[in-house]
Amino acid sequence: RKEVEQDPGPFNVPEGATVAFNCTYSNSASQSFFWYRQDCRKEPKLLMSVYSSGNEDGRFTAQLNRASQYISLLIRDSKLSDSATYLCVAYNNAGNMLTFGGGTRLMVKP
Amino acid sequence: EPEVTQTPSHQVTQMGQEVILRCVPISNHLYFYWYRQILGQKVEFLVSFYNNEISEKSEIFDDQFSVERPDGSNFTLKIRSTKLEDSAMYFCASSEQPGQGMLDEQYFGPGTRLTVT
Repeated sequence: RKEVEQDPGPFNVPEGATVAFNCTYSNSASQSFFWYRQDCRKEPKLLMSVYSSGNEDGRFTAQLNRASQYISLLIRDSKLSDSATYLCVAYNNAGNMLTFGGGTRLMVKP
Repeated sequence: EPEVTQTPSHQVTQMGQEVILRCVPISNHLYFYWYRQILGQKVEFLVSFYNNEISEKSEIFDDQFSVERPDGSNFTLKIRSTKLEDSAMYFCASSEQPGQGMLDEQYFGPGTRLTVT
């Protein structure tokens, strides 16, 4: 079983739409979670850290459900510039490493 | 805004040659990492480094790989004898203090694209 699993997509949505991505992780020892955004052939850029209570940053909302080992990212009012691959990432303190999911590709169309 | 930098942006080398990839982490960060991403695949952890020592390494990081912090700013990844399958993007990252909530956050450099022919 993959450690961090995501639907690869692509998700094709019109501008202004709301889109949600889900992610599951298998290592219950994972302590912190993040969403990174990656544009084609570029580095992962940190989008949001994910806190247990859920957190919001503008149009982006992240949720964590430790019982179900499930993380989500909601993007409201999608912009063309949101088109990218969204990477779900788990951090394990014991290993001091990030474990990446395969990414979910989002394409926002006019 | 401080950022991680990497050089070169693209390195082409022949199989069997040694390469050194260079990184300058964010200046107040204490923990450094190398990841790689083969084209079309996910980002994979290679090694973490703290206090001039490797703190963790993956199965990918075999005897052909080594890391060094030769001075107060640079962090390098050396591949001793490159293989075709080493072709990938290599990302350096740094963080302040893992295991401390927001300080877990790792910031990535722009990457070095390594092509082994």
